[in-house]
Amino acid sequence: ETGVTQSPTHLIKTRGQQVTLRCSSQSGHNTVSWYQQALGQGPQFIFQYYREEENGRGNFPPRFSGLQFPNYSSELNVNALELDDSALYLCASTPTGRRADTQYFGPGTRLTVL
Amino acid sequence: AQSVAQPEDQVNVAEGNPLTVKCTYSVSGNPYLFWYVQYPNRGLQFLLKYITGDNLVKGSYGFEAEFNKSQTSFHLKKPSALVSDSALYFCAVKSPRGNNNDMRFGAGTRLTVKP
Repeated sequence: ETGVTQSPTHLIKTRGQQVTLRCSSQSGHNTVSWYQQALGQGPQFIFQYYREEENGRGNFPPRFSGLQFPNYSSELNVNALELDDSALYLCASTPTGRRADTQYFGPGTRLTVL
Repeated sequence: AQSVAQPEDQVNVAEGNPLTVKCTYSVSGNPYLFWYVQYPNRGLQFLLKYITGDNLVKGSYGFEAEFNKSQTSFHLKKPSALVSDSALYFCAVKSPRGNNNDMRFGAGTRLTVKP
């Protein structure tokens, strides 16, 4: 086990709704990254938070936003859900912001948008 | 921007035989390369990484990978496959430059080990 937890495990929403996904990083890990993994594809980088500030973003629209808290937890918020947002959402924590660090992944949240 | 290709969607091997899962990359500068494995309905588990140094990297569960700069490859290998190795394998690359941890994944290779 990586020590990274995510909640909920599964979630069903309808188009246009908003959703919040949660992640708890390993203790002491000050960097968290979020990824979207569509069915049959590799994970795609959404954004990264380092010491509670966004520190890089992939090719995702502003309706994807996040927060990181001092207690090593973080959130991914998605507004105005679209059908294509259906995916497995993964968070990953690293001990520092160094690029050589290994990212340790949580089990993911499966989001279904109807 | 960095990218990764996993040319095989599926690899089938018999238990006890050696296995290879292929990965090629494209990045400016020296890459940071990673292999992860994903079991059904689970997150990604780290297997090994290459940052610098010896081109042959040894990782978890008997896996190893060889970094080949001239061929821009980082193939995953195991001398003797187990049925329990059956899973989805992802290669990933990070550029050593930039200001974030953007890691680019390949599309994945499904490994099936038959008894």
